[in-house]
Amino acid sequence: QVTLKESGPVLVKPTETLTLTCTVSGFSLTNARMGVSWIRQPPGKALEWLGNIFSSDEKSYTTSLKSRLSISKDTSKSQVVLTMTNMDPVDTATYYCARISEYDFWSGYYRPFDFWGQGTLVTVSS
Amino acid sequence: DIQMTQSPSSLSASVGDRVTITCRASQGIRDDLGWYQQKPGKAPKCLIYAASSLQSGVPSRFSGSGSGTEFTLTISSLQPDDSATYYCLQHNSYPLTFGGGTKVEIK
Repeated sequence: QVTLKESGPVLVKPTETLTLTCTVSGFSLTNARMGVSWIRQPPGKALEWLGNIFSSDEKSYTTSLKSRLSISKDTSKSQVVLTMTNMDPVDTATYYCARISEYDFWSGYYRPFDFWGQGTLVTVSS
Repeated sequence: DIQMTQSPSSLSASVGDRVTITCRASQGIRDDLGWYQQKPGKAPKCLIYAASSLQSGVPSRFSGSGSGTEFTLTISSLQPDDSATYYCLQHNSYPLTFGGGTKVEIK
């Protein structure tokens, strides 16, 4: 059974760094055909993709937040970590992690987001 | 960045109606498109991948079509449980981009 679960602070202050952890089960972060993405959703607004990481440690980030984002993984703990620096109230959102499957390194094809975590609401306020 | 324009932004339909939602990509994305359903307070759920492939466990009343720049999600016979917001996602090139969402309400 595939599951993902986000954990981290519910409240951060402006200018602080946010660290969220996605703990996965039912699949391995060492599987060459798997990856994990982070996606966020401000209250009442649309979904926004933040970034990806694959088993090879290949990473991609959204353009507008690239300077503030970092995604890493700890395969021994089955965890993917999102770090976002210099948090601002506009970063208040529910943050989700989701699985990528069927990744093919040579073609670049993958199937995005077949499983999602439940999400965690992060509020940025002083 | 590839822009995904989704329409309509909301719709209201009766049980049994056929409902169609459209997504237009600002440039060609082959069939690298997925559709997701999100209910209030819940995580999105994948309905369709590769533009027209039904995710396992999803009712067959959901279908997807299109390639290149024009895509549609069709609900052949709307059910009360289909009340939700629907999003398209392109994964042809980075950054991945979602459409703005379509809120479907039951009359």
